[in-house]
Amino acid sequence: SQKIEQNSEALNIQEGKTATLTCNYTNYSPAYLQWYRQDPGRGPVFLLLIRENEKEKRKERLKVTFDTTLKQSLFHITASQPADSATYLCALEATGYSTLTFGKGTMLLVSP
Amino acid sequence: ETGVTQTPRHLVMGMTNKKSLKCEQHLGHNAMYWYKQSAKKPLELMFVYSLEERVENNSVPSRFSPECPNSSHLFLHLHTLQPEDSALYLCASSQEKPSGTSGGSQETQYFGPGTRLLVL
Repeated sequence: SQKIEQNSEALNIQEGKTATLTCNYTNYSPAYLQWYRQDPGRGPVFLLLIRENEKEKRKERLKVTFDTTLKQSLFHITASQPADSATYLCALEATGYSTLTFGKGTMLLVSP
Repeated sequence: ETGVTQTPRHLVMGMTNKKSLKCEQHLGHNAMYWYKQSAKKPLELMFVYSLEERVENNSVPSRFSPECPNSSHLFLHLHTLQPEDSALYLCASSQEKPSGTSGGSQETQYFGPGTRLLVL
């Protein structure tokens, strides 16, 4: 069966360091992968989308990589700030389907 | 604000009540979604209205009933819910491309703030 795995344990890092979050998937052939941010009691907010033929995408302090051989995406936040503390979700749309499947998300805590 | 509004933001209901959740999107999108989010679980897609076609998750109990009167409004009608239905209910919208369009059929989803539902 199709599965998306994100580290369920919270990631604690110090302000200024680079945070790296992982999204692994099995039994998917994704057309693209998306990353969302969710704050407590709020809906997810879209951050970045990376397509299957792209290796890397950047937006300000954010960087996403996509390795379809390893079936993995890495999400990096450089120069992290306490305001980056949130839960980060990855989502996949499999090729030929029209809905997104979300991972459970990883909570990031950036301490001053 | 994401352009997607949901009301009410909080709802407490008994198991015999009937209530409705409302969602409105101001983005001109042609697809709308209901998701359920429970603690420690991934977002669970409940219903999709896409290009005027309804797609259901067959595991959703019949006590949840969606209604989409037009492309901007979406309702979730609730009746005889159970305590395990307590969760955050999220509405989302997106602009879906017809199947066969290059670049994938669906892109970013825009979420509302959610309705926190407690069933007693």
